[in-house]
Amino acid sequence: AQSVTQPDIHITVSEGASLELRCNYSYGATPYLFWYVQSPGQGLQLLLKYFSGDTLVQGIKGFEAEFKRSQSSFNLRKPSVHWSDAAEYFCAVGFNTNAGKSTFGDGTTLTVKP
Amino acid sequence: GAVVSQHPSWVICKSGTSVKIECRSLDFQATTMFWYRQFPKQSLMLMATSNEGSKATYEQGVEKDKFLINHASLTLSTLTVTSAHPEDSSFYICSATVTGEHEQYFGPGTRLTVT
Repeated sequence: AQSVTQPDIHITVSEGASLELRCNYSYGATPYLFWYVQSPGQGLQLLLKYFSGDTLVQGIKGFEAEFKRSQSSFNLRKPSVHWSDAAEYFCAVGFNTNAGKSTFGDGTTLTVKP
Repeated sequence: GAVVSQHPSWVICKSGTSVKIECRSLDFQATTMFWYRQFPKQSLMLMATSNEGSKATYEQGVEKDKFLINHASLTLSTLTVTSAHPEDSSFYICSATVTGEHEQYFGPGTRLTVT
């Protein structure tokens, strides 16, 4: 069965520091990969997605992610974190056998220290 | 583009009553809509997949008689929580997609509190 793992439940970084959030998936074919951000009481906002092509994808708010097939990973990065980045981050994987349907990781809570 | 709305954004109801949540795609036709439930500090749990004009497909463990889903048009799906109980209190999120596409467009969510 397909699965998504976000190994870090909670990450704390200082404002201005770099950030990397990890995401690993288990799937037999090339998946469709997404990163979402959720602020408290809000819906999900798409940060970026990977379907094919260049494995380094740029997203909104200065985020980027790199698809590494050999490691079954799609880690999210940001070179300099802002206090407003504090939120919950979800990695999701979609499958070409069921268009539109995704499996979500458990999420990583990001806290930003001043 | 690709905006999805939900109504209401929050609702409080008494135990035993039913409550309906609407999910609308505002600027596109959504052939498929998904309903999720999210408990505090947890991930999204897919409840059901709804295709326009057909019965919803429920995930294992989700009571279809309790969570009634209707997808009567290409822009509207509704989730009705019947005979709600306090344990049904949660954050309900819908998303919509278009045939052949792999991206979901999420609504802002509905906070349901059952007293």
